Amino acid sequence: AQKVTQAQTEISVVEKEDVTLDCVYETRDTTYYLFWYKQPPSGELVFLIRRNSFDEQNEISGRYSWNFQKSTSSFNFTITASQVVDSAVYFCALSDFSSGSARQLTFGSGTQLTVLP
Amino acid sequence: EAGVAQSPRYKIIEKRQSVAFWCNPISGHATLYWYQQILGQGPKLLIQFQNNGVVDDSQLPKDRFSAERLKGVDSTLKIQPAKLEDSAVYLCASSFDGRGNSPLHFGNGTRLTVT
Repeated sequence: AQKVTQAQTEISVVEKEDVTLDCVYETRDTTYYLFWYKQPPSGELVFLIRRNSFDEQNEISGRYSWNFQKSTSSFNFTITASQVVDSAVYFCALSDFSSGSARQLTFGSGTQLTVLP
Repeated sequence: EAGVAQSPRYKIIEKRQSVAFWCNPISGHATLYWYQQILGQGPKLLIQFQNNGVVDDSQLPKDRFSAERLKGVDSTLKIQPAKLEDSAVYLCASSFDGRGNSPLHFGNGTRLTVT
């Protein structure tokens, strides 16, 4: 089973629309961390946010907001009033001990967001 | 602060040839990672170093891939011999520590094409 599932492969919206990117994760650890990264066409992965498993408060940063729900193992990402510059691939990632003795960061398959002018 | 540096940016080789990639992490970052990103997929961890020791190399194809971080700073990833399925972007990342809560900072990657 996939540890991090991003069911939406591609999403297209028109500028100024709101868009939510879904992320569902799976882990047996009680302490874990969740991340979102952005990968623009240039290719570099850019860190957006980190949450730990004990902090279920939603977070807002400008036009970005994150909804962490432990009960459904989801960590969704919403962009409000999307802009063309938001076009990128967005990755959700989980840091846990997986099957080894070291924490490992596992990425989902990503969601390609295209914002049309 | 300077980011994670990687070279070369692009590399094209024929199958069965060898290739090496270089990474210089952010100064002071103890943990260094090599990820492989195949087109259309998320990055997959190949190897993780803590200083100059290997923490996790469970997903590294050791029959053809090798990596080292001799002085606990720069790192080199080598593929010998390359296969067609090795075509991917190889991303290096570093973090302040390896406890899992520190964000990873990624380089621009090396795009490898094996023909």
